[in-house]
Amino acid sequence: DIQLTQSPSFLSASVGDRVTITCRASQDIDDYLAWYQQKPGKAPTLLIYAASILETGVPSRFSGRKSGTEFTLTISSLQPEDLASYYCHQLKAYPVTLGGGTKVEIK
Amino acid sequence: EVQMVVSGGGLVQPGGSLRLSCAASGFTFTSFYMSWVRQAPGKGLEWVANIDQDGSKEYYADSVKGRFTISRDNARTSVYLQMNSLRVEDTAVYYCARSSAAYVWGQGTLVTVSS
Repeated sequence: DIQLTQSPSFLSASVGDRVTITCRASQDIDDYLAWYQQKPGKAPTLLIYAASILETGVPSRFSGRKSGTEFTLTISSLQPEDLASYYCHQLKAYPVTLGGGTKVEIK
Repeated sequence: EVQMVVSGGGLVQPGGSLRLSCAASGFTFTSFYMSWVRQAPGKGLEWVANIDQDGSKEYYADSVKGRFTISRDNARTSVYLQMNSLRVEDTAVYYCARSSAAYVWGQGTLVTVSS
């Protein structure tokens, strides 16, 4: 099974900060990685697919990058509405796996 | 607008059964795999099952294999999750999702397995 190790599991940052979340895959998954945002009490929503393609309607402060088996989600300037948990997700192979999540708090 | 409306959750005793339904609209249903993903209270997301476009291929997480069955009715643009031999650890919000390069999520429904 492909493991996704997501870090950190929690982060606290101020409005305007640059925030980076990392997801490391246990083997090559090409670009078959997506990122989701889940606000409290809501269903997840898609932010980025194919490692770096921004979903339509998602603010441009969100970006995704791939380097080998390491993937990063960056929020260039954290906003109050970005309070949420973030998950990475590999669709390269079954079983489908997701990272453990990163909870982002606004200081 | 892509929509997936889930129904069928509730309280069930350990060993019992439940069937979840997901009614999809706003896209060409027959072009997409469909998925179920769950989230235990206070925990992360866990993939449960996928089904291909015509229902001929099914994929399951080891934690539910042999107990859960995913199916679809393309005429009704709906996907289902039959859950048998339910365990306390199956307690979660269950989400339906459209699957392609990523998941597009519908609402969830809470399944509580408790005596």
